[in-house]
Amino acid sequence: GAVVSQHPSWVICKSGTSVKIECRSLDFQATTMFWYRQFPKQSLMLMATSNEGSKATYEQGVEKDKFLINHASLTLSTLTVTSAHPEDSSFYICSARDRGKVNSPLHFGNGTRLTVT
Amino acid sequence: LAKTTQPISMDSYEGQEVNITCSHNNIATNDYITWYQQFPSQGPRFIIQGYKTKVTNEVASLFIPADRKSSTLSLPRVSLSDTAVYYCLVGDMNYYNTDKLIFGTGTRLQVFP
Repeated sequence: GAVVSQHPSWVICKSGTSVKIECRSLDFQATTMFWYRQFPKQSLMLMATSNEGSKATYEQGVEKDKFLINHASLTLSTLTVTSAHPEDSSFYICSARDRGKVNSPLHFGNGTRLTVT
Repeated sequence: LAKTTQPISMDSYEGQEVNITCSHNNIATNDYITWYQQFPSQGPRFIIQGYKTKVTNEVASLFIPADRKSSTLSLPRVSLSDTAVYYCLVGDMNYYNTDKLIFGTGTRLQVFP
């Protein structure tokens, strides 16, 4: 149980284009989902907290107009990297907690490798 | 700011028991301790979670002393496939708590044959 599906697993795009990454909780509902970014050999860095039905909360230094987050339902959050540039190339990971379980740990998707050329 | 401190790396050999300790001196009353395993180009995978004393599941044990200022993940008889980065995450797991869950540096475990 507690599966988080992330799609696509990898994507290559040209500089200036936009890319959408989907994060779905398959067997549980999640009012809140979290988006992380990870560079090679580094830890996960929290980018934003996605809240169902309301605006996302972004961490300091993360541009909300560049990384658009939509949390349209209790099982789906999307991250859109707009006008992507090579420096946006990274590994993006989403996570969610099961709102039906007390003290549920974070469950993670398998990540999306974004390469901007 | 991460609430945790772990060794950057550890080496072990197949068949040995590995203990990875995490320091979390400022742990709050409502905080739980959760450990994750991450392989390259994959999302972190949940290993074990605990609040106090000892927790054991089919893959690991988690030891938490009474003061809860540290915790130790114990992996019995590691194999080559346990080579990964292990993260200790401390935070309030109440679903309605909106505190950010910040990852520390993690411990890179290398298992040798």
